[in-house]
Amino acid sequence: EVQLVESGGGLVQPGGSLRLSCAASGFTFSTYWMHWVRQAPGRGLVWLSHLNTDGSIATYADSVQGRFTISRDNAKNTLYLQMDSLRAEDTAVYYCARAFRQQLIHWGQGTLVTVSS
Amino acid sequence: QSALTQPASVSGSPGQSITISCTGTGSDVGSHNSVSWYQQYPGKAPKLMIYDVSIRTSGVSKRFSGSKSGNTASLTISGLQAEDEADYYCSSYTTSTTLVFGGGTKLTVL
Repeated sequence: EVQLVESGGGLVQPGGSLRLSCAASGFTFSTYWMHWVRQAPGRGLVWLSHLNTDGSIATYADSVQGRFTISRDNAKNTLYLQMDSLRAEDTAVYYCARAFRQQLIHWGQGTLVTVSS
Repeated sequence: QSALTQPASVSGSPGQSITISCTGTGSDVGSHNSVSWYQQYPGKAPKLMIYDVSIRTSGVSKRFSGSKSGNTASLTISGLQAEDEADYYCSSYTTSTTLVFGGGTKLTVL
């Protein structure tokens, strides 16, 4: 069974940093592109970033370019999202997802990030 | 990276059919067949329902169908059931090698 489990969310002050993790199991992690998507409370889904299989090609949404960094450790079957210079508007549930032809076929349960003083 | 345009809400009675539109541009929906639809219940993660415009994922009812014409994709749900009440999002790959979602549509089964 495919499982994606996000962790690392929590309360952080504006300007702070947080690193999210996404532990994958049930599939060959190293052969799939992976994505991060977020959803602010009561709002819609927003795509953030994706990373190719060996971690050499990363693409970001304009809203997080230069502040967020996606990475992966294929030996640990884990995807990461390093979030720096956090703002109140980054408050959201963050999901990782496995891609199939750039469509998000499996999603984790999400982890909540709250940016507030 | 503007969001795809979806109606904020649609509604229908049990047994009826509804269609949710998803309008993009020639840089996303109009130029890729990597158009997908997701269903999301409150407090839950999204679930992929349709990918590559019209292919249902395993286990998804045949009542769900997808199509595309030009820059607009559509999700049709026939024979509406109470369990279909949820939020629905479209998504498309773009020529900038990013993904873009629609704003979401709340489906109410009357």
